Amino acid sequence: GAGVSQSPSNKVTEKGKDVELRCDPISGHTALYWYRQSLGQGLEFLIYFQGNSAPDKSGLPSDRFSAERTGGSVSTLTIQRTQQEDSAVYLCASSLGGLVGNEQFFGPGTRLTVL
Amino acid sequence: GQQLNQSPQSMFIQEGEDVSMNCTSSSIFNTWLWYKQDPGEGPVLLIALYKAGELTSNGRLTAQFGITRKDSFLNISASIPSDVGIYFCAGLRTYKYIFGTGTRLKVLA
Repeated sequence: GAGVSQSPSNKVTEKGKDVELRCDPISGHTALYWYRQSLGQGLEFLIYFQGNSAPDKSGLPSDRFSAERTGGSVSTLTIQRTQQEDSAVYLCASSLGGLVGNEQFFGPGTRLTVL
Repeated sequence: GQQLNQSPQSMFIQEGEDVSMNCTSSSIFNTWLWYKQDPGEGPVLLIALYKAGELTSNGRLTAQFGITRKDSFLNISASIPSDVGIYFCAGLRTYKYIFGTGTRLKVLA
């Protein structure tokens, strides 16, 4: 498709289970970002990919969170041993990755609910 | 994490009124972006600004990149009910986008 896609759109899981969230960026976009948005709040940066490498992982809240990107395209955010405070909307965004004139486009998000 | 100061936090306006919101920072940015987020959806890009002093319009929306590169504002003219939502500014420095805290807009018909 033409835009950023994410799956699943909704995920309900039990505390302690692992979850995987997927992001398909816009074709040709080398930069990919994951954000977390709690109810009624702003966007919290999690991780940035340039190609397959992640030069900035500073926003990952704990070692239960990890992300990878393969083939310079699809990215997966994994949350291990989920906790109730992990409940949020996880947003993925992509951009061309240059330093100037760089517009960032968002996917629809995955709403994660941890029971 | 770091966030931009965005104001107002929320506002109720009458349909047909003009709306103004702004973002300020203590640091300079290379690019300013304005997004709108509807409930249950991801933010949608409204306007992108690339040069200090630049004034750009998109329909009823007008945004400006502050001369100091530390601020930006967004105006919405003749608001309509579908303008309701959360508006976010974002500043870009090298690769990192710093987001504002959001302005929640409610339009009363």
